[in-house]
Amino acid sequence: QLQLQESGPGLVNPSGTLSLTCAVSGGSISSSDWWSWVRQPPGKGLEWMGEVYHDGRTNFNPSLKSRITMSVDKSKNHFSLKLTSVTAADTAVYYCARDGGVALGAFDFWGQGTMVTVSS
Amino acid sequence: EIVLTQSPGTLSLSPGERATLSCRASQSVSSSYLAWYQQKPGQAPRLLIYGTSNRATGIPDRFSGSGSGTDFTLTISGLEPEDFAVYYCQQYGSSPEYTFGQGTKLEIK
Repeated sequence: QLQLQESGPGLVNPSGTLSLTCAVSGGSISSSDWWSWVRQPPGKGLEWMGEVYHDGRTNFNPSLKSRITMSVDKSKNHFSLKLTSVTAADTAVYYCARDGGVALGAFDFWGQGTMVTVSS
Repeated sequence: EIVLTQSPGTLSLSPGERATLSCRASQSVSSSYLAWYQQKPGQAPRLLIYGTSNRATGIPDRFSGSGSGTDFTLTISGLEPEDFAVYYCQQYGSSPEYTFGQGTKLEIK
């Protein structure tokens, strides 16, 4: 059974960089799947941030394109997110998720989520 | 960008009743790429339906999806206590882009 686990700092300074990692277990990150980050501000809905493929190809939400990077480390079977110039509006629960398997275009496996607060 | 609008915002029903949740898109969505999720407090979303009408692994058959074009529906027949949660629709488009609706809260009446 595929499992995803997010990790990273829970507190980031305004104007700083948010960095998170998603560890994949029970499967290979080099499979024919895309790996995404989805975030959810407190009490609000879900926002797709971007996705990465094992060969490094990425696609991003246009609203974040100038601030976001994503990468894959195949040796560690994990993928990462960096979001620069963060503000309080970036405070959210951040989820990693897989788009793939049978459910193309949908997220069938999710991490438990990690809360990131932007504050000094 | 395709905008998904869910209605109603909140739905109050009793266990055993039938729930009908709507998701309307600002432009046509491929039926292959319309999904529904359930989210309970403090938990990650759980995939219920993909490709408009296909149940994900382990999802009970009281959950069903239908629709095409710009109008899609999630139906829960015979509500169980564990079904009271927030439900989101989501589409995948060709940019590529993924967008979610704003959610429908299903609460116990």
